[in-house]
Amino acid sequence: NAGVTQTPKFQVLKTGQSMTLQCAQDMNHNSMYWYRQDPGMGLRLIYYSASEGTTDKGEVPNGYNVSRLNKREFSLRLESAAPSQTSVYFCASSVLWTTSTDTQYFGPGTRLTVL
Amino acid sequence: SQKIEQNSEALNIQEGKTATLTCNYTNYSPAYLQWYRQDPGRGPVFLLLIRENEKEKRKERLKVTFDTTLKQSLFHITASQPADSATYLCALGSSASKIIFGSGTRLSIRP
Repeated sequence: NAGVTQTPKFQVLKTGQSMTLQCAQDMNHNSMYWYRQDPGMGLRLIYYSASEGTTDKGEVPNGYNVSRLNKREFSLRLESAAPSQTSVYFCASSVLWTTSTDTQYFGPGTRLTVL
Repeated sequence: SQKIEQNSEALNIQEGKTATLTCNYTNYSPAYLQWYRQDPGRGPVFLLLIRENEKEKRKERLKVTFDTTLKQSLFHITASQPADSATYLCALGSSASKIIFGSGTRLSIRP
């Protein structure tokens, strides 16, 4: 099992460009998440999908959109990239976020730089 | 608002000693607390979970305590090794709200 995979690993964009970050999990998990990690800020939730067919905003959703394509895949789109979106993006999955433990399994991350 | 505090300063420990990391929180009543390890350039990896009704949890050289009165968790690594060097994140969660993460503490074990 590959666990959680993310593509691309690195990306450099110019301000105003758009891109989609891809995420897939093979653990049959119901819930999937997108986080960004900035120095000193910890992991901040951008969007999550509690189950297939649903998506909801997290702590920092502005400038992003998501699509839960199917149970396995959850993509994050930047429509018009801004330098403030320079960060490391992590996708994660869990069995179901309303369970009593909600252990998160993370992908390797995408390092995005917006010039 | 909900807040998690971890020591932002790196912790430097001599090999063989016990490393102790602290996680404090405010404005939150978690049902559980988790600890994750993150190596440079990688995603966090789950280590241990402790529930609100548990005082202590152990796994090999790792020990976690959870004091809901003090709103604090302590994470201990006994007989520390250079391979334990990493950033350690604490996270809080409940069935009513999504998990939230602290910013992590970087631990360095020197030989």
